[in-house]
Amino acid sequence: SQKIEQNSEALNIQEGKTATLTCNYTNYSPAYLQWYRQDPGRGPVFLLLIRENEKEKRKERLKVTFDTTLKQSLFHITASQPADSATYLCALDMWGSQGNLIFGKGTKLSVKP
Amino acid sequence: EPEVTQTPSHQVTQMGQEVILRCVPISNHLYFYWYRQILGQKVEFLVSFYNNEISEKSEIFDDQFSVERPDGSNFTLKIRSTKLEDSAMYFCASREREGGNEQFFGPGTRLTVL
Repeated sequence: SQKIEQNSEALNIQEGKTATLTCNYTNYSPAYLQWYRQDPGRGPVFLLLIRENEKEKRKERLKVTFDTTLKQSLFHITASQPADSATYLCALDMWGSQGNLIFGKGTKLSVKP
Repeated sequence: EPEVTQTPSHQVTQMGQEVILRCVPISNHLYFYWYRQILGQKVEFLVSFYNNEISEKSEIFDDQFSVERPDGSNFTLKIRSTKLEDSAMYFCASREREGGNEQFFGPGTRLTVL
């Protein structure tokens, strides 16, 4: 079955720096790879989606890359702020599924002022 | 801005009891989902629902669970004969259309089974 690994459970960076989070998966590439933000005790909030045939997607300070050869996605937050502190979840939307998402365990990002 | 709502926010029940978790998806969305998240663990898919029937379910979603969309707005998850290990956050999500778009998650219901 599909497995997802997010590089570290926790990542601590200084305000203003770029945070880079990694998502690796096994087996087949998804049709879409999505990134969500989750705050404690809250539901996931959608951030970005990238398609299997796309290499990069940007939205404001966020950038996602997708390498199907490496079976890896990188998620970047530039000019990070303390308000970016949260857990970031990688999720796969596989071909042939009904849109149900396979989530990674997440990386908890802490941005220090 | 439209949002998915869930009630109750917290449900405490005794082992063996039945619970019903309620969700109101975004009104023009067609695809509905339930996920659960045990404390400290990842979000896990339970079931998807489209066109008034289950379209896919995970191994977790056994005969103990059922879903219903009774009135065209509410979407419910029923858990029969609850067990201690059913304690988790349960998230409802909805999606507008098929393929390649975001899911909108509700705030969750925290279920505690004593």
